This record gives sequence, C-alpha cells and structure tokens, in this order.
Amino acid sequence: DIVMTQSPTSMSISVGDRVTMNCKASQNVGSNVDWYQQKTGQSPKLLIYKASNRYTGVPDRFTGSGSGTDFTFTISNMQAEDLAVYYCMQSNSYPFTFGSGTKLEIK
Amino acid sequence: AVQLVESGGGLVQPGKSLKLSCSASGFTFSSYGMHWIRQAPGKGLDWVAYISSSSGTVYADAVKERFTISRDNAKNTLYLQLNSLKSEDTAIYYCARGQYRYNLGWFAYWGQGTLVTVSS
Repeated sequence: DIVMTQSPTSMSISVGDRVTMNCKASQNVGSNVDWYQQKTGQSPKLLIYKASNRYTGVPDRFTGSGSGTDFTFTISNMQAEDLAVYYCMQSNSYPFTFGSGTKLEIK
Repeated sequence: AVQLVESGGGLVQPGKSLKLSCSASGFTFSSYGMHWIRQAPGKGLDWVAYISSSSGTVYADAVKERFTISRDNAKNTLYLQLNSLKSEDTAIYYCARGQYRYNLGWFAYWGQGTLVTVSS
C-alpha cells in the first residue's frame, strides 16, 4: 500500500498567516493527490484535486502543488473559518490512502 | 443538487452484522463509482471499499472477506454489509461519490456519515 506521510501534525497559526503543509508518498503517484478539509463535526470537503486543481467554489487562497512523491498545500491568507483538519489522499491506485492529517489551531 | 444520505448505523455486538445504506439523489447514480470511507472516533480517514458503475469491487485489506459493498441502481442506493464486526470497526462510515465512468480519482461529494459502534 502507498503510505502518505503528512506533516506537520498540527500548527498554531494567526489569522492572516501563510500556512504550508506537506505530503510525501511512499511511491510515485503522478499528480493524483487530493486535499480535503474537515471541520469539527462535519464531513470532509474537497478543496484540491489532482495536486493543483481548485474545486468549484473553493477560494483562491487555497493552492496545491507537486507531483511524483512530494506535494504541498498552502493557505495564503489564513481566515478564522479555515480552522480545520486537512488531509491529503492519493487516488492513483487502490487502496486509496490518506495522510494522517494536519490540524490548524489558533495561536 | 447532489445528496448522499447514509443510514443503518448503530450499536452492535462483536461478531455480529450490520448493513449500511447510502441513498443518492441529484445525479445519474448508475453512471458513477461509489466509495465507503470510515473514521474512527478522534482519528483520521480510512478508505474502505469501492464499487464501480459496472459493479466491480475493491476492498481495503482490513475489511476484505468481512465487508461487502453493493449497489441497487433501480433504488439509487449504495450498501455496505458489515459481518464479523470487531471493536476496531467502530467508526463513522461515510459514502462518497467517485468519478463518472472512471475508477480512480477524488471525492467531490460526501454524505453526513453514520456511526457504527461495536461493543458488548
């Protein structure tokens, strides 16, 4: 199975900060990495698909990049409503696998 | 609008069975692959199973031989039969829509989840 190593586990941030998190795949997954946001008590929500494509309606402060084994997700101007846990997932081959998540907390 | 609504969760004893349902609306259900993903309390997301539009199936190793994914296109409903349940199967179970006639790819739509608790 492909292991998705996500870092950091958590971040303490301030509104307006630039936030960057990473996912490293244990083998080449091409551009087939997606990023999800999960707020407390809610279902996950798709933000980025195929590494760098912003899903419909997602604000442009959310961006993704990378290919092969190394992927990055960035929030350019953190807003209070962005407090959540963020997960990467490889959808290149079965079984699909998720990173362990990055929890954003207010400093 | 696309809607996915799970049901069937509850408290079940170890070794017993449960059947989850996911009722779909707002899209041509028969043309899309569908997935089940679960999340143990306070933990991360784990992909569980996939069924293609032509009813081909794939399972995570942890549930293979115990869980069965199926679909009824006439009823626009996805199912997950859970057998030989273990305490480690305790989780919120989400259904999610896959891609149009493509077996891989992201989940744009998720249900609200149904909680399965395995305990004596």
